[in-house]
Amino acid sequence: AQKVTQAQTEISVVEKEDVTLDCVYETRDTTYYLFWYKQPPSGELVFLIRRNSFDEQNEISGRYSWNFQKSTSSFNFTITASQVVDSAVYFCALSAGWLGYGKLTFGQGTILTVHP
Amino acid sequence: DAGVTQSPTHLIKTRGQHVTLRCSPISGHKSVSWYQQVLGQGPQFIFQYYEKEERGRGNFPDRFSARQFPNYSSELNVNALLLGDSALYLCASSRTLDNTEAFFGQGTRLTVV
Repeated sequence: AQKVTQAQTEISVVEKEDVTLDCVYETRDTTYYLFWYKQPPSGELVFLIRRNSFDEQNEISGRYSWNFQKSTSSFNFTITASQVVDSAVYFCALSAGWLGYGKLTFGQGTILTVHP
Repeated sequence: DAGVTQSPTHLIKTRGQHVTLRCSPISGHKSVSWYQQVLGQGPQFIFQYYEKEERGRGNFPDRFSARQFPNYSSELNVNALLLGDSALYLCASSRTLDNTEAFFGQGTRLTVV
């Protein structure tokens, strides 16, 4: 069975602070994908990044960066110099197994509030 | 290009009624998946359809059913609605079966009273 845990239910920061959202996953499969999605108040899930289990390189995209560590089964997401527009719910998700790729297992989500 | 479109955006139903939610995937996408997101939780997988065949089913009762049409649009049906079915229902479309690049619609917010 697959499981994703986002231990931080809510995070509140002031604009320009850096913030890290934690994600820990569980799977017995050796091949899997990890995702981060952003959900603004409108409800739509916005794709941010996908990582496969064979690629442990960290990635940076503008103010966003991701740290994937298989040794600790973690896929953490950092926003540098946060902005008010970053306020949203962020979900980490996992799809795993040859027959299970079509199914995304989501964490509970982290509510990020960035204050001006 | 149009994204994933879902209709209606909001819906209020009474317990025991039936509801049909609709999803049009991005052009060229053959996979449609449905998720239920209860307030304060992450989305839960309900179904995946690919090339008009069911390819995956989550842990939901038989009151939930779905189908995919030749144009790859999809319907999610829920019978005998319960208060607990109140949620945001999200549709995701993908070009491939493995959903490695899934795009979500804005969702249908269903309220059961």
